[in-house]
Amino acid sequence: NAGVTQTPKFQVLKTGQSMTLQCAQDMNHEYMSWYRQDPGMGLRLIHYSVGAGITDKGEVPNGYNVSRSTTEDFPLRLLSAAPSQTSVYFCASSTRGGASYNEQFFGPGTRLTVL
Amino acid sequence: AQSVTQLDSQVPVFEEAPVELRCNYSSSVSVYLFWYVQYPNQGLQLLLKYLSGSTLVESINGFEAEFNKSQTSFHLRKPSVHISDTAEYFCAVRLNTGFQKLVFGTGTRLLVSP
Repeated sequence: NAGVTQTPKFQVLKTGQSMTLQCAQDMNHEYMSWYRQDPGMGLRLIHYSVGAGITDKGEVPNGYNVSRSTTEDFPLRLLSAAPSQTSVYFCASSTRGGASYNEQFFGPGTRLTVL
Repeated sequence: AQSVTQLDSQVPVFEEAPVELRCNYSSSVSVYLFWYVQYPNQGLQLLLKYLSGSTLVESINGFEAEFNKSQTSFHLRKPSVHISDTAEYFCAVRLNTGFQKLVFGTGTRLLVSP
């Protein structure tokens, strides 16, 4: 298993450009999430999905769109990049939790710089 | 609302010394508690978790954490650290219902020197 993969690893954008961060998992996990990591702020949830066709907003969703057409993929779209979106982005996946916890697996991250 | 506080942004220690990384949480309902570790230029890995039962939980590499409900704490400890333990450590909490929405602390950078 490759686990959770993210592409690209690094990206530099100019203000106003759009791009899609890719996330894929091969563990047949129902749940997938996107977080951003900023210095001194830990990880904050952007969007999440509990299954194909179902997405919802997290703590900091503004400026980002997501969709989940398949179980494996959960892309994150920046429609018009802003310098405030400079961050490290992590994708995570896990099995359905129910009454017990199932470990979230994180991808290696995408480091995004918006000039 | 849940929140997690990690008061120490950085903890420098010498190799083979003991270390404690502090974590306090606030929640009015039952929660699950976690410690994640992030090595340089890598993603996060689960270090240990408290779901229920014994309040002392251990990881495979010598770390342990104790859930203290009265003090709403989940401090991480290791009696003797190695250079390879240098990393950033995140405490996280989630409600034990619904989607696994984790709330993370701001992280503590552990710096182990010879």
